[in-house]
Amino acid sequence: DVVMTQTPVSLPVSLGGQASISCRSSQSLVHSNGNTYLHWYLQKPGQSPQLLIYRVSNRFSGVPDRFSGSGSGTDFTLKISRVEPEDLGDYYCLQSTHFPLTFGSGTKLEIK
Amino acid sequence: EVQLVESGGGLVQPGRSLKLSCAASGFTFSNYGMAWVRQAPTKGLEWVATISYDGSSTYYRDSVKGRFTISRDNAKSTLYLQMDSLRSEDTATYYCARHYYSSYSWFAYWGQGTLVTVSS
Repeated sequence: DVVMTQTPVSLPVSLGGQASISCRSSQSLVHSNGNTYLHWYLQKPGQSPQLLIYRVSNRFSGVPDRFSGSGSGTDFTLKISRVEPEDLGDYYCLQSTHFPLTFGSGTKLEIK
Repeated sequence: EVQLVESGGGLVQPGRSLKLSCAASGFTFSNYGMAWVRQAPTKGLEWVATISYDGSSTYYRDSVKGRFTISRDNAKSTLYLQMDSLRSEDTATYYCARHYYSSYSWFAYWGQGTLVTVSS
């Protein structure tokens, strides 16, 4: 299985500040069709996960442009600018290039 | 608005069975692949199983293959997960999720989850 390694485990951030989360895969996530299937989710406290970014850098419907994704191959980053209270929670990356789909172990975004 | 509502969770003894259901609304159910994803208490997310839009293809993680069966009833817009020979390590909140496309892909929408506890 492809191992997804997220860092940091915990990320204290000031409201209004910027946060950056890293996700690295044990294999390249470039599919044979040329697409890269790396996605980001946010799980707010007591809620189910919600899709933020799909295929590296595409914001899902309703996701504010404060969220941006980048990266290629095995190295990916989620950036959150102007952090708001509603952004707090656990962030997960997911790869769907290889079977089985695998998630990162999560990054907890919390107030500094 | 897309809605996914899971039911059927509860406390069950090791070795016994349980069947989860997920009622879908707000989209054309028969057009999309569907999945179950679980989360053990205080742990991360783990994909369990996927079924294609028409039910013709199913996929399972190794640890549940032969014990769990994913199925769907497109006429009722309902997804199911039959769980047999349950083990303590199956204890988790089980989320129903809609794939982005008609089959195996990432997850666009999630339900609120149903808790399954396997314990004697």
